[in-house]
Amino acid sequence: QKEVEQDPGPLSVPEGAIVSLNCTYSNSAFQYFMWYRQYSRKGPELLMYTYSSGNKEDGRFTAQVDKSSKYISLFIRDSQPSDSATYLCAMSAFSGGYNKLIFGAGTRLAVHP
Amino acid sequence: GAGVSQSPSNKVTEKGKDVELRCDPISGHTALYWYRQSLGQGLEFLIYFQGNSAPDKSGLPSDRFSAERTGGSVSTLTIQRTQQEDSAVYLCASSLGGQTDTQYFGPGTRLTVL
Repeated sequence: QKEVEQDPGPLSVPEGAIVSLNCTYSNSAFQYFMWYRQYSRKGPELLMYTYSSGNKEDGRFTAQVDKSSKYISLFIRDSQPSDSATYLCAMSAFSGGYNKLIFGAGTRLAVHP
Repeated sequence: GAGVSQSPSNKVTEKGKDVELRCDPISGHTALYWYRQSLGQGLEFLIYFQGNSAPDKSGLPSDRFSAERTGGSVSTLTIQRTQQEDSAVYLCASSLGGQTDTQYFGPGTRLTVL
């Protein structure tokens, strides 16, 4: 079993829809939770960063972490065609002096006009 | 400002050849990471450099893979005697380090081994 599980999709939604992306994990030591967005043939870019449990909102994006269930989510409101990308969850436990990120497989999202 | 750059952007090689992939981190970033992204897979950690400390090589898949970081800046990932299963996108990231550091990724090198 992988440490981080993420449904690869693809997920296709109409413009304006609310999108929900999720990851589950098995390592209870994870404290830092991130969502990266990766456009085709580009490197991942950090979208959201959350420490421990709770919600974090940034514009149309909301990240949720439920450590008791080992489950994290990213919600995108009023989705736009420009949101079409692969979304990668990542998490880490600060050990050995650094954050070694463990990534999910990524969910490919397509938002059609 | 300049982000993380990687070269070449694409590399096609024949099985058994050696390849070198280069990463130029963001100026001032002391931490540098290499990851591998295979088709349909998430990023797989390969190696981590921090300043002058010994690197964490725990993610290197075999002894055909090695990496170095000269002068605490530019890094080179070398794959010897390439195999077809080495075909992937190799991504480099750099950061300031520390507990809540943000890793900034380069565009990657797409390696194809024929």
